Amino acid sequence: GAVVSQHPSRVICKSGTSVKIECRSLDFQATTMFWYRQFPKKSLMLMATSNEGSKATYEQGVEKDKFLINHASLTLSTLTVTSAHPEDSSFYICSADRQGGEQYFGPGTRLTVT
Amino acid sequence: QKEVEQDPGPLSVPEGAIVSLNCTYSNSAFQYFMWYRQYSRKGPELLMYTYSSGNKEDGRFTAQVDKSSKYISLFIRDSQPSDSATYLCAMSGGNTGNQFYFGTGTSLTVIP
Repeated sequence: GAVVSQHPSRVICKSGTSVKIECRSLDFQATTMFWYRQFPKKSLMLMATSNEGSKATYEQGVEKDKFLINHASLTLSTLTVTSAHPEDSSFYICSADRQGGEQYFGPGTRLTVT
Repeated sequence: QKEVEQDPGPLSVPEGAIVSLNCTYSNSAFQYFMWYRQYSRKGPELLMYTYSSGNKEDGRFTAQVDKSSKYISLFIRDSQPSDSATYLCAMSGGNTGNQFYFGTGTSLTVIP
């Protein structure tokens, strides 16, 4: 199957700092990537849809100035959590939309804000 | 009403049992139906992908889609302890564009 990578897999940061998470589709081009947040024992919550070369579309309730998304190329999207706070601690997962309707997920990034 | 409904479980079965996981949905426009497996602290892994109605088999896994009833199923035959995970259904298509709608996931434990 298709491969999507995420980096870093785990990050611990201090409150008030910013953290950047990268999502890469390794063997296909993805015009659309998605960013999700997942709380323990909960399903995926879509945060935003990232389209290459255009602004991301954020879901209701997601602060676009706090969660900056840049889809710079057909294989890379980044999520930057700005001025992180402990409540931002979560598991962040990206996915890439492969032509044909299939969506492949990255391994996720565990963010802990202290 | 949620777009996709899935019983969160937890579901425990003995090794070798047949497991049936189900989701119902409300949007008749959905055309693509997926099942993902997610191990603890890992990203979801695509297991099965089905377009429109019908059955699809891959090894011990069978996915069924009944669009008339808005009901999808995943069957796991000869379940193994390594199948212990959370299984998420997802669907998209039609008027939803390429946005995916997920069930809450069913937690499955296969007991040796």
